[in-house]
Amino acid sequence: AQSVAQPEDQVNVAEGNPLTVKCTYSVSGNPYLFWYVQYPNRGLQFLLKYITGDNLVKGSYGFEAEFNKSQTSFHLKKPSALVSDSALYFCAVRAHNRLAFGKGNQVVVIP
Amino acid sequence: DAGVIQSPRHEVTEMGQEVTLRCKPISGHNSLFWYRQTMMRGLELLIYFNNNVPIDDSGMPEDRFSAKMPNASFSTLKIQPSEPRDSAVYFCASRLGGQETQYFGPGTRLLVL
Repeated sequence: AQSVAQPEDQVNVAEGNPLTVKCTYSVSGNPYLFWYVQYPNRGLQFLLKYITGDNLVKGSYGFEAEFNKSQTSFHLKKPSALVSDSALYFCAVRAHNRLAFGKGNQVVVIP
Repeated sequence: DAGVIQSPRHEVTEMGQEVTLRCKPISGHNSLFWYRQTMMRGLELLIYFNNNVPIDDSGMPEDRFSAKMPNASFSTLKIQPSEPRDSAVYFCASRLGGQETQYFGPGTRLLVL
């Protein structure tokens, strides 16, 4: 079955430092991978996706993600975190015409 | 574009009452998804429709839950009778045919007392 794993429950990072949110996937065939962000009391917002092509994908709000086939990973990154990046981040993979979401990672950016 | 619209945004009801959640997808999108989010279970897909037809309802918890999509611009998720364990945030999302990205509504926060 297609699935993603987000191994950390919470990621704490100081403002201005690099931010990384980890995601590994398990699929048969080529993966379609996504990152979404959820701010408090809001719905999920699409950040970026990997379908094919360049392994480094750039998305909204300065985020990017690197697809690594050998490590079956799709980690989300931002070079310099902002306090406003504090939110819940979900990795997802396409599975039978829908998305299978990970459990989410809470990111806390400390001023 | 107004995005996915959900109503009500908040609902407080008593156990045993009927609850109806509503969703208006983005105009032109032909797939619609209903999700439930709780602290314990995370984000769960309940059901999804393609061209107004239910494709997979295997995530619907039990017969108390039902969903309909009478036309391309409206869907409902009904719980009858409601129970305290149904308390959660319910999200609707829509997707354009041929695309992979889903767009989420703001959610309905349901509390069953």
